[in-house]
Amino acid sequence: TQLLEQSPQFLSIQEGENLTVYCNSSSVFSSLQWYRQEPGEGPVLLVTVVTGGEVKKLKRLTFQFGDARKDSSLHITAAQPGDTGLYLCAGPIQGAQKLVFGQGTRLTINP
Amino acid sequence: ETGVTQTPRHLVMGMTNKKSLKCEQHLGHNAMYWYKQSAKKPLELMFVYSLEERVENNSVPSRFSPECPNSSHLFLHLHTLQPEDSALYLCASSHNDRGSTDTQYFGPGTRLTVL
Repeated sequence: TQLLEQSPQFLSIQEGENLTVYCNSSSVFSSLQWYRQEPGEGPVLLVTVVTGGEVKKLKRLTFQFGDARKDSSLHITAAQPGDTGLYLCAGPIQGAQKLVFGQGTRLTINP
Repeated sequence: ETGVTQTPRHLVMGMTNKKSLKCEQHLGHNAMYWYKQSAKKPLELMFVYSLEERVENNSVPSRFSPECPNSSHLFLHLHTLQPEDSALYLCASSHNDRGSTDTQYFGPGTRLTVL
């Protein structure tokens, strides 16, 4: 069974600080996606990483796909209150046409 | 209206009630999905429809009955639910049902409470 474990489950920090959240698996994924879900809304795709070792930047967010394609990280620089939300990683299940999601990291940025 | 819409946004029902959740996508996509999101579990895929045909049923109890009359609309009919079915039900759509690297666009969800 392909599972995705996210850590930490909860993170509360002050505005301006840096943070990293992780998405780990014992299985190899062909790609991983990161979504952000704000209260009262559905998840919104932030990025898809496809190549082992790939780094993608989205303003203050930096996404990295592990060399072995078993893990990914999301680093946020100078966090803002607008970054508050549930961050989900997801990957395709091999041999099936569906995604498996991690349980998410609930991030709170305090002003 | 654009994107993926869901109605109602909130629903409270008794265990003997019958209700339906509605999802509509305005993106011209071919595939639609129902997910369940509860507090203590990861997002769980329930059903996948591609070109109005059900291609995935993730061992969902029969008290949940999906319907996809056309590629823009998806329903989830509910009957004799249990309190543990209380959750956020999310609808999503994508260009096709590859699911893997295809971007899925989610609606805002229906918050369901079963008393």
